[in-house]
This record gives sequence, structure tokens and C-alpha cells, in this order.
Amino acid sequence: LAKTTQPISMDSYEGQEVNITCSHNNIATNDYITWYQQFPSQGPRFIIQGYKTKVTNEVASLFIPADRKSSTLSLPRVSLSDTAVYYCLVGTRNNFNKFYFGSGTKLNVKP
Amino acid sequence: SQTIHQWPATLVQPVGSPLSLECTVEGTSNPNLYWYRQAAGRGLQLLFYSVGIGQISSEVPQNLSASRPQDRQFILSSKKLLLSDSGFYLCACLGGTNEKLFFGSGTQLSVL
Repeated sequence: LAKTTQPISMDSYEGQEVNITCSHNNIATNDYITWYQQFPSQGPRFIIQGYKTKVTNEVASLFIPADRKSSTLSLPRVSLSDTAVYYCLVGTRNNFNKFYFGSGTKLNVKP
Repeated sequence: SQTIHQWPATLVQPVGSPLSLECTVEGTSNPNLYWYRQAAGRGLQLLFYSVGIGQISSEVPQNLSASRPQDRQFILSSKKLLLSDSGFYLCACLGGTNEKLFFGSGTQLSVL
């Protein structure tokens, strides 16, 4: 089962682009890479998901290199409200239906 | 899309008392369901998952148990709570054809 490694914390300022990288060296062939955002006392919220290359939606971009052993979540022009914990999750329902969260990255956006 | 209902939002229980947390799901059928626990300032720990009625897999040995009496109902229980059972409990559902987890609003359990 793929284990993920992320930086414990990151600081940024409003208006900057933030890139959070997740390492998942033993990702399986069928695994998807999904990122979640969690605010205090709330459940994690889906941000973006990808399998390979680049995925973009209205809130973020996800960059996945060809070997898929890492992924980078890119948040353009962050605001104070983006202060949260961001989790990278690797898995698939075919992989024994288990989804393990890592420790997450605490992003602190400063004014 | 799926909607997950969890209750209660907050619960304070004495050590040794029983526990029952309920999770129900709307907007999908035969979902994969999960219970996670989050200690203060920590990540999410997978406790149980279920792929169908009566099918429960446990991830961590503990004094908690889970049951799935109906397709869209998932229950977390304990006969006797320990101090270490305190935490934020989250129910999740695996959605649709993509591998996206949808979470409920959680229950903050304090065992005193």
C-alpha cells in the first residue's frame, strides 16, 4: 500500500502561488492521486484528483510526473481562507478499498 | 452527489460508558463506507471500512467496533470507552466511479 510523505508545514503570503509536493514512491499501477483540504473541526474536502500528467480545475492544478512517484498540488494566488491542512491520498477501491491519509501539510497564509 | 449525515456533532462521555455513533448516506447505493479518527492536531487514522451490508474490516485493534445493518448506514460502537478514545470521528463514503472520498461533518468525542 502506497505511503505518502509531505512537508509538515508551509508558510505563504496572500496572492502568492503555493506548491505542495507529496512523495509516494510505491504507488501502484491503478492508484489515483487525490488531494483534500481540511479546516479545523470539519471533514476533509476534495480538491483535485489525477492519474498522470496535469489536471486543472477551478481551484487548483495537480502535476504528476511520468513515474508517478510524486505529485504537486499548485494553489494559484492563495488567500487567507486557504489556510488549512492539505492531504495527499493515494489509492483505489481495487486496492483492498483502503485509503490511508498521511500527516498532511499545514499551510499558513499570512497577510 | 453523496450526502453524509453524522450525529451527534459533539459528545462528552465518561470513561467506561458505551458509545454509538451513526452515519447515514444519501444519494448513492452500495457505497464503500469508512470510519476515521483524528486526534487533536494529528492526521486521519483509518479505523474501519465496509464494502457492503454486514461486511466490516478493522484496521486497528482497539475497543471499538463497527456495524453496517443497512446499505447506507454505518455505526461505530464501543461497550466501554477509554480516555484514549477521545478524538474527532469522521464517516466517509467512496463516491461514484472516481476514487473520491466524501466526508461527513464529524463527531467530536471527549471521554472524561
